[in-house]
Amino acid sequence: AQSVTQLDSHVSVSEGTPVLLRCNYSSSYSPSLFWYVQHPNKGLQLLLKYTSAATLVKGINGFEAEFKKSETSFHLTKPSAHMSDAAEYFCVVRGDGGYNKLIFGAGTRLAVHP
Amino acid sequence: EPEVTQTPSHQVTQMGQEVILRCVPISNHLYFYWYRQILGQKVEFLVSFYNNEISEKSEIFDDQFSVERPDGSNFTLKIRSTKLEDSAMYFCASTTSLAGADTQYFGPGTRLTVL
Repeated sequence: AQSVTQLDSHVSVSEGTPVLLRCNYSSSYSPSLFWYVQHPNKGLQLLLKYTSAATLVKGINGFEAEFKKSETSFHLTKPSAHMSDAAEYFCVVRGDGGYNKLIFGAGTRLAVHP
Repeated sequence: EPEVTQTPSHQVTQMGQEVILRCVPISNHLYFYWYRQILGQKVEFLVSFYNNEISEKSEIFDDQFSVERPDGSNFTLKIRSTKLEDSAMYFCASTTSLAGADTQYFGPGTRLTVL
């Protein structure tokens, strides 16, 4: 069965410094992977998705993620954090069963300090 | 840009009461989902819906829950007799197809509080 593990429940960075949010997945086949972001009192917004076309995936707002099959990882990065990046980030894998239910990680809360 | 909408944003109800959470998916989407997030816990899949039928449901989705698409635009989640443990944020999502990495678009959620 598919699952995701987000290795950090909280990450705190200073504005202008790099962001790294870690995610490991478990899947019995080639996975579809996503990162979603949730700002306070907002819905879930797709940041980026891995479609097997390229291992380095670029998303919105300067975020990137690299799919590493050998490490079963899909870490999210951004070179320079902005105050507006403070939010909850979810690593997500598509489940099996054919109807594309999504399986969420526990989330990582990113705090950005001036 | 089209978006998924949900109403109400907040719902407070007494234990044992019925609630209906409403969603309007993106208009050309064909597959619909409900998820929930209990405070402090993971977002969990509840049910998927296609062609006016439930296509998949989780263990959470017991006989107290039902979904329907009554008029071709709304997609509703009904909880017949709410329990304290139903208190959560409920998210609706929709997508156009089941292509491997097709995006599910989420609504802003309905926060349900059961007293």
